[in-house]
Amino acid sequence: AQKITQTQPGMFVQEKEAVTLDCTYDTSDPSYGLFWYKQPSSGEMIFLIYQGSYDQQNATEGRYSLNFQKARKSANLVISASQLGDSAMYFCAMREAQSNFGNEKLTFGTGTRLTIIP
Amino acid sequence: GAVVSQHPSRVICKSGTSVKIECRSLDFQATTMFWYRQFPKKSLMLMATSNEGSKATYEQGVEKDKFLINHASLTLSTLTVTSAHPEDSSFYICSAKSISATGRRGKLFFGSGTQLSVL
Repeated sequence: AQKITQTQPGMFVQEKEAVTLDCTYDTSDPSYGLFWYKQPSSGEMIFLIYQGSYDQQNATEGRYSLNFQKARKSANLVISASQLGDSAMYFCAMREAQSNFGNEKLTFGTGTRLTIIP
Repeated sequence: GAVVSQHPSRVICKSGTSVKIECRSLDFQATTMFWYRQFPKKSLMLMATSNEGSKATYEQGVEKDKFLINHASLTLSTLTVTSAHPEDSSFYICSAKSISATGRRGKLFFGSGTQLSVL
């Protein structure tokens, strides 16, 4: 079963509009962390935002916010006032707590390619 | 911010040769580094977890003898693709976990990736 599901392979959004990228996850671990990364065409992975499973409030980082709905197991990324530079692949990832310290693996979704239209 | 240097960024090699990829944390120490493989338009798949001073932990289905990982110091991990074949062509990316990480975030920092093309 997929642990991280991103159902939108691609999205086109007008510049300055807000955009929501979907992410659902599956885990039986009560302690986990959810991440969003941006991957431009150059290939590097850029950390955007983090949400812990016990965090009471939704995470925000500048124009990025995470709509965390724990009961639904969803962690959608919201980008406000989109810019041309936001065009990239976006990956949702989950880290589950493991018994061995240091072996905290990230499981990635398949990604969403976001294209901002001028 | 913390920087992870990955080298080379692109390599083209002949089938049967070995290729070494370096992942270096420039301004922090990393007891743990992770190696991922990414196929075109696909997600990142964790290959192995590299722990300084001990053997790497490989994910199921990843050949240990094919993908040799060495984590010789707190700032350097290397991935060697041995006897490379065209099916090994892929984008390889590393990430490093800061030794000073506290809390849940773990402070993972990614390298810029290596595009390997095996002819």
